[in-house]
Amino acid sequence: EVQLLESGGGLVQPGGSLRLSCAASGFTFSTYAMSWVRQAPGKGLEWVSAISASGGSTSYADSVRGRFTISRDNSKNTLYLQMNSLRVEDTAVYYCAKELAPSGAFDTWAQGTMVTVSS
Amino acid sequence: QSVLTQPPSASGTPGQRVTISCSGSSSNIGSYTVNWYQQLPGTAPKLLIYSNNQRPSGVPDRFSGSKSGTSASLAISGLQSEDEADYYCAAWDDSLNGWVFGGGTKLTVL
Repeated sequence: EVQLLESGGGLVQPGGSLRLSCAASGFTFSTYAMSWVRQAPGKGLEWVSAISASGGSTSYADSVRGRFTISRDNSKNTLYLQMNSLRVEDTAVYYCAKELAPSGAFDTWAQGTMVTVSS
Repeated sequence: QSVLTQPPSASGTPGQRVTISCSGSSSNIGSYTVNWYQQLPGTAPKLLIYSNNQRPSGVPDRFSGSKSGTSASLAISGLQSEDEADYYCAAWDDSLNGWVFGGGTKLTVL
């Protein structure tokens, strides 16, 4: 069974840092691009960042570029999101998602992890 | 404000057919395929339609998608109470070099 399991969410003060992890199983992780998508409380979905299968190519939403870093360890079947200089407006449920080639559609989603930025 | 525009709400009675629109521009829907996601209350989103009109395994054929120019639509026929959810369209945008979502449409089954 294809599965994504996130960890690392929690409460952090503005300006702080947090690293999210997403452990993959049930598929050949190293052959799929991955993304992070977030959803602020009561709001819609917002794409955050994507990384190619090899990890050699990354892209970011303007709202997080320069503060967040996406990475992956294909030997550990794990995706990461390092979040620095966190702002109140980064408060959201963060989902990691597997991309379906070649459409890029997100065909598998993790359960979501809550990140709260508050003093 | 979302890059892709969806109506905030839609409704229908059981058995009816409803459609949800998604409007974009030449840099997203006009150049790339559209995907649709269903989000039931309190759960993670689920892929409903990809590549404009393809259904993943397990998605009932009551759900269908189409695209024309810079707009796309999701149609749900034979509406059921369990279809009550939020629906989002999405597409790649080459001006932003990233994925863009619609603001979401809350579907109510009356």
